Amino acid sequence: QQQVKQSPQSLIVQKGGISIINCAYENTAFDYFPWYQQFPGKGPALLIAIRPDVSEKKEGRFTISFNKSAKQFSLHIMDSQPGDSATYFCAARYPLAGNMLTFGGGTRLMVKP
Amino acid sequence: NAGVTQTPKFRVLKTGQSMTLLCAQDMNHEYMYWYRQDPGMGLRLIHYSVGEGTTAKGEVPDGYNVSRLKKQNFLLGLESAAPSQTSVYFCASSRLIGNSPLHFGNGTRLTVT
Repeated sequence: QQQVKQSPQSLIVQKGGISIINCAYENTAFDYFPWYQQFPGKGPALLIAIRPDVSEKKEGRFTISFNKSAKQFSLHIMDSQPGDSATYFCAARYPLAGNMLTFGGGTRLMVKP
Repeated sequence: NAGVTQTPKFRVLKTGQSMTLLCAQDMNHEYMYWYRQDPGMGLRLIHYSVGEGTTAKGEVPDGYNVSRLKKQNFLLGLESAAPSQTSVYFCASSRLIGNSPLHFGNGTRLTVT
């Protein structure tokens, strides 16, 4: 039983379009919500992260929207590019547990030229 | 600066065989983790360590053992491999400071026949 549920499992977007990936969680004790990006044959790497006291965080074309009351958060990729094609994982951190993250199931994004 | 290095990159085992996966980091990070990645399941934490000589169980620890005799190394052992342990294994490390990102290695693909 995953504590962080991610959707969709796969996503195809045209170049220049908006990619949206959603995550939902149950444990209200989570205190930090990062997104990781993974290219084939590589390990995941931190993309962007948000704390639950903030409703939105933007870094370049990447934005996290956070809805604490609904226990949901999402990643928006504006002006999606073929180079954004990768697998994206949302995650949540248990406080006071060694910076331990629990991950969603992942979304495989393909951006078509 | 190699970051997080995992060896081996690929391995095929027969059921019942044992092996050890090695993780080494050169960033002087306090925390280290072992995750397994399976399709649709995301990354699941096997064991983690908050310092040299200490280890703790994660979400899916059964069938695995770990050791952290040196700060820079974190070993994952399979004493009697089972087909259910076929997966891609990722090691990660992070600093002690809160919200520090996890730095992942490039993974070990293990097949148990």
